[in-house]
This record gives sequence, structure tokens and C-alpha cells, in this order.
Amino acid sequence: NAGVTQTPKFRILKIGQSMTLQCAQDMNHNYMYWYRQDPGMGLKLIYYSVGAGITDKGEVPNGYNVSRSTTEDFPLRLELAAPSQTSVYFCASRRTGTAIGYTFGSGTRLTVV
Amino acid sequence: GIQVEQSPPDLILQEGANSTLRCNFSDSVNNLQWFHQNPWGQLINLFYIPSGTKQNGRLSATTVATERYSLLYISSSQTTDSGVYFCAAYSGGGADGLTFGKGTHLIIQP
Repeated sequence: NAGVTQTPKFRILKIGQSMTLQCAQDMNHNYMYWYRQDPGMGLKLIYYSVGAGITDKGEVPNGYNVSRSTTEDFPLRLELAAPSQTSVYFCASRRTGTAIGYTFGSGTRLTVV
Repeated sequence: GIQVEQSPPDLILQEGANSTLRCNFSDSVNNLQWFHQNPWGQLINLFYIPSGTKQNGRLSATTVATERYSLLYISSSQTTDSGVYFCAAYSGGGADGLTFGKGTHLIIQP
């Protein structure tokens, strides 16, 4: 049982390039989330999804896009990468219900130069 | 949205010491969790605790929901306890998803 799997683990992008961060979970969780963590800070919510075909913005969505075509996958797309997007990105999931803990992936460290 | 504040921001202790980390939140919560981020960056879920008290080995947590705070206790600290401890909460309104505090950076010295 892999839990939440993120790929790649590390990536360096040049300004203006685009990329997709992959996130997959095998726990049949309906809820999935993307967070970013800047140095010395807590995590901030970028986008979330409550099920396949449904996505919504979090606190810091600008510069990102998401899609949720299946329950398992929740990719995060960066268009026109900027240095301000240098961060560690975490994907998380949980099943339906309020009394539920979150499961986090191991993160993707992205540097934009 | 909900605000989450943690204290202290940094804590340096000797191995074997006990510590208390505090989390204050601005609204009633239906989800509150404590995480440990290890030196490799992995986030480990320690407790789901929107109210009451839980214990897991040397760690325990208490949330007093009516007074909007939660405490994480670490007893007999070990060097492997080092890292950043995050409190995260969800109040049930606005965007779904936990709001994180800035964390407490704990260093346990041998």
C-alpha cells in the first residue's frame, strides 16, 4: 500500500518553463490537496478537490492549475514558472468525513532559476 | 479563515528533557492535527485531536476546544524527536483543507 506518491522528488526549472507535478493515491480517498511550503514557514493550500471532476482554489492558487479526472490522480500544473514558485510542494489526501486525518506525500522540491 | 499560531518558534533541549508545544486557533474547529516534519522533510501525522486528550508512547496531546488551544507534550526527548512540529486546523468554513501554523523548530542535543 503506497499511500500518497509524488513525482518527481526534485526539479529545477528555468523561468518561463512549464511542468506538471504528479500526485497519486491508492487509498480510494475522495479528498485531495496541494500545498506549498516556503522556507521556515508552514504549508499553504494551493488547490483542493472533493472528488473526481471537482476542484477548487485554496489560499494561493495564482500561477497554478489542477485537474482531477480520476479518484487516484491529482496533478498540479505550473505554467510560466517564476522564481516565486520555488518551494516544496506537498500533496495530501483523506477520505470523506470530518473525523479523518490527512495523509501526506513525501514532497517535490522545485527550484526556478 | 481560521488563524493558527504556534509557540515557541524555536526550542533547544537536552536529551531526556520534557517539552510542551502550544497551538492557539482563532475559531472553533472540527479537525485539528499535529504533524512532525523530520529533517528529511517528511510530514508525519502525530495526532488527530479536535478535542480531548490522546497519548502515543512518549507523546501526548490535549485540545481544549472551548478555549481554542492545543498542547503537544514530548517526554524524555530523544535526538530523533528533532524537527519541526506543526499544528493544523480546519474550522469547517471556506476552502476545505487544513490551515497550518508556522511550526515549532525543536532541536534535541545529545
